[in-house]
Amino acid sequence: GDSVTQTEGQVTVSESKSLIINCTYSTTSIAYPNLFWYVRYPGEGLQLLLKVITAGQKGSSRGFEATYNKETTSFHLQKASVQESDSAVYYCALGDTGGADRLTFGKGTQLIIQP
Amino acid sequence: GGIITQTPKFLIGQEGQKLTLKCQQNFNHDTMYWYRQDSGKGLRLIYYSITENDLQKGDLSEGYDASREKKSSFSLTVTSAQKNEMAVFLCASSIHRDYAEQFFGPGTRLTVL
Repeated sequence: GDSVTQTEGQVTVSESKSLIINCTYSTTSIAYPNLFWYVRYPGEGLQLLLKVITAGQKGSSRGFEATYNKETTSFHLQKASVQESDSAVYYCALGDTGGADRLTFGKGTQLIIQP
Repeated sequence: GGIITQTPKFLIGQEGQKLTLKCQQNFNHDTMYWYRQDSGKGLRLIYYSITENDLQKGDLSEGYDASREKKSSFSLTVTSAQKNEMAVFLCASSIHRDYAEQFFGPGTRLTVL
């Protein structure tokens, strides 16, 4: 089956510092899955942050970046300088294809920004 | 834009009870999904539907039924609630296309006494 492993639990970062949330994936159903980062801000629903569907490509949104690395089967989320408004829970997800993406999610990483 | 509405927001049931959760979307999306999230775990797909009256099983379909009678609505039934069960059920929708963004509802929190 498919699985996603990401940095577990909470990550605390001081404002303006850099961030990396690790994500690695394993899949038996498809050679090159689609990769996503979803985010849940406090009081809001889960929403797409960024996606990459081609190996070797980088996705970016709201200052966050993630590169699809098929050699290391990784899709780490990075930001050079975090802000207090980035406090949220981040989920890495893997999707197969076929018209309806059956998403496999990681357990989520809660990001806490210290002022 | 659009919105996904889930009802009820909180659902409390008894062991063995049949419980139904409802989801409505006004995006005019083809595909709808039901996920379950347990504390400290990722979302797991229960059922999805790519069009009206279509149902596809996810990884966690045992113990659940689903129904898609209209394009805009997708309901999920817990066939026999398990004692001490606690989870959040999330509904989502998307257009019917590879790697389409899924839009999520606010969730229904289930507690079984």
